Amino acid sequence: GAGVSQSPSNKVTEKGKDVELRCDPISGHTALYWYRQSLGQGLEFLIYFQGNSAPDKSGLPSDRFSAERTGGSVSTLTIQRTQQEDSAVYLCASTPRGVAGGLDEQFFGPGTRLTVL
Amino acid sequence: AQSVAQPEDQVNVAEGNPLTVKCTYSVSGNPYLFWYVQYPNRGLQFLLKYITGDNLVKGSYGFEAEFNKSQTSFHLKKPSALVSDSALYFCAVRDGSNYQLIWGAGTKLIIKP
Repeated sequence: GAGVSQSPSNKVTEKGKDVELRCDPISGHTALYWYRQSLGQGLEFLIYFQGNSAPDKSGLPSDRFSAERTGGSVSTLTIQRTQQEDSAVYLCASTPRGVAGGLDEQFFGPGTRLTVL
Repeated sequence: AQSVAQPEDQVNVAEGNPLTVKCTYSVSGNPYLFWYVQYPNRGLQFLLKYITGDNLVKGSYGFEAEFNKSQTSFHLKKPSALVSDSALYFCAVRDGSNYQLIWGAGTKLIIKP
C-alpha cells in the first residue's frame, strides 16, 4: 500500500516568507509526528497528533511554527516569517496507534528539504 | 532526562567484515530501543526494536542488536557487511511513560568493497 507522502520534496524560500509543508500519513494510522532533521543532527521532535486529542506541541521551537491535522488524516506544518536557521529537512511519520501503541515502529515520509535564503 | 549517544560519527568497514554501530542510552524507566536506517535520498526505515525478552534482537537486512542493561547499550551488528549497507543509522529510545522517541545524532556507515 501507499506509504507516508510529503510535499513539496524541496522548498526554497526567502527569509521572512511563510511556508506550508504537507504530510499524508498512511491510511488508518491514528498518530502523526513531525520532526526536524538538521545536518549532522538527530531528529528533533516538533509536534504529535493522536486522533482527535489535543496535539502535543511541546517541541515547536517558536510561535512561528504551527501545525494542524484535518479530519485525522492530512497534516500541514506552517512556518511563518522563515529564518535561515529554519533550513532543515522536515520529516513526517505515522503509526497505527497512538499512546497505546507507543512501541509501534514509525513509518516515515521522504521529507521536505527547506532552504531559507 | 532521557538521552541517546552514538559516539561514532562515522564507521568504516570492509565488505565481508563484521560491523558494529554503537549506541548507549539513559532513561529513567524501562528502555524501549529502536534502530532506524536512512539510505541516501530516501526516508528513514525501521530496522529493529527491543521491548522486552531476549536481549538479542534480529531485524531487517540481516542486522541484529544486543541489549545490555548493565552497560546501557544497544549496539547494532551484522556478521558480514555489504556495500549496500552504507547509510546513516539512528538509534532511538523511549521509556515506558513517554511516547516520544529521543534520537541519537546518527552514525554514517561506509562499507568499502
